[in-house]
Formats: sequence, structure tokens, C-alpha cells
Amino acid sequence: GDSVTQMEGPVTLSEEAFLTINCTYTATGYPSLFWYVQYPGEGLQLLLKATKADDKGSNKGFEATYRKETTSFHLEKGSVQVSDSAVYFCALAYNNNDMRFGAGTRLTVKP
Amino acid sequence: EPEVTQTPSHQVTQMGQEVILRCVPISNHLYFYWYRQILGQKVEFLVSFYNNEISEKSEIFDDQFSVERPDGSNFTLKIRSTKLEDSAMYFCASSQTGRNTGELFFGEGSRLTVL
Repeated sequence: GDSVTQMEGPVTLSEEAFLTINCTYTATGYPSLFWYVQYPGEGLQLLLKATKADDKGSNKGFEATYRKETTSFHLEKGSVQVSDSAVYFCALAYNNNDMRFGAGTRLTVKP
Repeated sequence: EPEVTQTPSHQVTQMGQEVILRCVPISNHLYFYWYRQILGQKVEFLVSFYNNEISEKSEIFDDQFSVERPDGSNFTLKIRSTKLEDSAMYFCASSQTGRNTGELFFGEGSRLTVL
């Protein structure tokens, strides 16, 4: 069935470092892809999304490109901040009633 | 900013007891969901609810689970007789348009610990 696999954490970076969190998907059709973020003590929030191949989602300096050829949706940020410390979830939605999440990757950014 | 609220934030219960987790979705949203995350594992879909009925449920959502929207504002998840393996973080979410195009708004979660 459709699924998402993301890199295991935790990831620890220094402030201003480059971030990549890998996400690959398996889907029988053409899902929309999402990155959600969960800050400490809060619920999941949509960070960015892409609805078709070659789309790039971006928000708050984060970017991810929907790559059909490699079935990937890797999250990147050029320069992370301490405030980016959170758990990041990759997800796909193939139809209206079945969003599939990855296991989450915990990012800690140290000053 | 409108938000989804969940209560309680943490509940500890004995195995076999009934538990009700409560959620207040965003007021103009039409689709409601419950997800759960067992510690260290994936966030898993449990059930979706639209137009006062379940629209889809996963294989996790067996007869021990039920959902209700009793008064037009609350959306509840009931676990009739809890098992140890029900220990997890339960997230409520709501959406205006459904998940593959619209944004899901999540609550902060209710942590359930079954002893």
C-alpha cells in the first residue's frame, strides 16, 4: 500500500547549518505530499505541500520538491535556527480519507 | 487564530476502563479526524468523520472505538475497554475540504497511558 519513509533521527545541527531530511514515498497513483512540523508542546502544523510532480513547496525558508522519478520529497533549509528545533513529519494523501505519515524526525538545533 | 483544542492533555487509566477523548475542531470546518501515535512509531490514521457520520476508518478502529459529534462543536473519541496497546498520543484534526488538497489542522494531542 501507499507509504512514506523518512530518515530516522534524531538530527542535531549547529545554528546556520544546512538541513536535509530525506523522505521517500511509495504510491500507486499521484498523491499530494506534505511536510508537517510539531514544535514542543504543540500540535502538528502544515509546513509546506506539493500537489504534483516537479512542484516545489516552500515556507519559512524550508523547501521540498516533488520528485516523481526518485519518489522523493526531501526537506531542505539552507540555514537552520534554534527555533527550528521540532519534529518533522513527511506525509502523503492519496485520496480524501487516508493521509499516511512517516515516523517523524526530531531536529535539535544548538546555538 | 482559530485552533483545534483537545482535552485532556494526559490521561492515565486502568486496563479495561472506558476513556473519552474530547476535541473542539475549528468552527467552520467540515471534516474531522482522529490519528494516533504510539511512542516512537508512525502517526496512524484512525477515522474520518463528515456530515455526522464516519466516512472512513482504518483497521485499527475496531469495535472498541467510537466517535461522536454530540452537540455540533465537540468531536469525541471513545475507547470502550482500554488495552495496554492503546497507550499512545491521540491527535484530533479538522479540515475544510479534505486531506489531499486542504490543510489539516491538528490539536496538541491527548496522551493516553493504560496501566
